[in-house]
Amino acid sequence: NAGVTQTPKFRILKIGQSMTLQCTQDMNHNYMYWYRQDPGMGLKLIYYSVGAGITDKGEVPNGYNVSRSTTEDFPLRLELAAPSQTSVYFCASSYSGPEGETQYFGPGTRLLVL
Amino acid sequence: GQNIDQPTEMTATEGAIVQINCTYQTSGFNGLFWYQQHAGEAPTFLSYNVLDGLEEKGRFSSFLSRSKGYSYLLLKELQMKDSASYLCAAIDSNYQLIWGAGTKLIIKP
Repeated sequence: NAGVTQTPKFRILKIGQSMTLQCTQDMNHNYMYWYRQDPGMGLKLIYYSVGAGITDKGEVPNGYNVSRSTTEDFPLRLELAAPSQTSVYFCASSYSGPEGETQYFGPGTRLLVL
Repeated sequence: GQNIDQPTEMTATEGAIVQINCTYQTSGFNGLFWYQQHAGEAPTFLSYNVLDGLEEKGRFSSFLSRSKGYSYLLLKELQMKDSASYLCAAIDSNYQLIWGAGTKLIIKP
């Protein structure tokens, strides 16, 4: 089992560019999440999904979009990148909802917007 | 608003015991997690508490008091590899995880 994988590991974007952060899990988990982590701050939920075809906004969804066409994949799309989106992005998955369920995290994508 | 408070940084000595506190104010409560995060790496699960009391798991224990909105993580026989950030996260009434900023633990020889 590879667990949760994310690509790329690191990316530099210019203001206004777009990109997709990839996330794949091979644990047949229903729930998937995208977080951002800024220095000295807690994880902030961007979007989450409870199953293929179902997505919902988290705490900080503005400037991002997601899709969940398969159980395994949950890509995060950044449109018109802004310096405020410089952060470390973590994808996570769990078998069911947060109550009592461990979330398994990917290694993260470090994004710098200049 | 919803809030999780933890100390920003703590220092302890190898072989000693350290207690990391976490207080939470959330709309409803459905459990609390502790995760460990080494620098530059992803968080990994340490413990989950939903009932009052102490949960022990090897060198690590976690305590919860629902009436006080308080939890702590207790690390015994500290090792250098325990140098990491420790994240507290509470589940609110909407079953969303609210994360603290983390406590950076520095272990000195």
